[in-house]
Amino acid sequence: EVQLVQSGAEVKKPGESLKISCKASGYSFTDYWIGWVRQMPGKGLEWMGLIYPGDSDTTYSPSFQGQVSISADNSISTAYLQWSSLKASDTAIYYCARRGSGGWPLDYWGQGTLVTVSS
Amino acid sequence: EIVLTQSPGTLSLSPGERATLSCRASESVSGSYLAWYQQKPGQAPRLLIYGASSRATGIPDRFSGSGSGTDFTLTISRLEPEDFAVYYCQQYGSSSSWTFGQGTKVEIK
Repeated sequence: EVQLVQSGAEVKKPGESLKISCKASGYSFTDYWIGWVRQMPGKGLEWMGLIYPGDSDTTYSPSFQGQVSISADNSISTAYLQWSSLKASDTAIYYCARRGSGGWPLDYWGQGTLVTVSS
Repeated sequence: EIVLTQSPGTLSLSPGERATLSCRASESVSGSYLAWYQQKPGQAPRLLIYGASSRATGIPDRFSGSGSGTDFTLTISRLEPEDFAVYYCQQYGSSSSWTFGQGTKVEIK
């Protein structure tokens, strides 16, 4: 069974750094892209970027390029989303999701990680 | 970047009725790489439709997708109580710039 299990909720102050995780199981981690999606409070979905763990190829939405960093550790089948300096506007739920094979969109999703940035 | 505009913003219907949701793209979506997702409160999105018209695994056949180019439609033939949710379209034609529509809420009338 494919599962993506995300790390728990975080409360941070503006300017702090943060790395949240997404642990995959039930499939070959290096063979599928992993994407990250933001959902601000009461708002819609925003695609942030993708990583292919097989070769670490990464692509970012223009809206998020330079604002976040996506990485993966194949030894523990885990993808990461990282900020070096959080802002209040980063408060949101962040979802990771697997891109299906054969050009599919996002077929399996994590449960989401709530990040709250407040002074 | 392709902009997706969904309409209507909110659809008020009764169980058993037919729901028709629209997603219009600012330019042609290559390869009909258009997906639909359902999201219920407090839950992660769930993939319903990919490739504009193919149902994802386990999705009931009351859900159907159609369209090509810039105009796409999600139809729910007979609304069940569990179908009241927010629906998003997404284009994934170019891996360098995916986008979502703003969502359509299907609510109980």
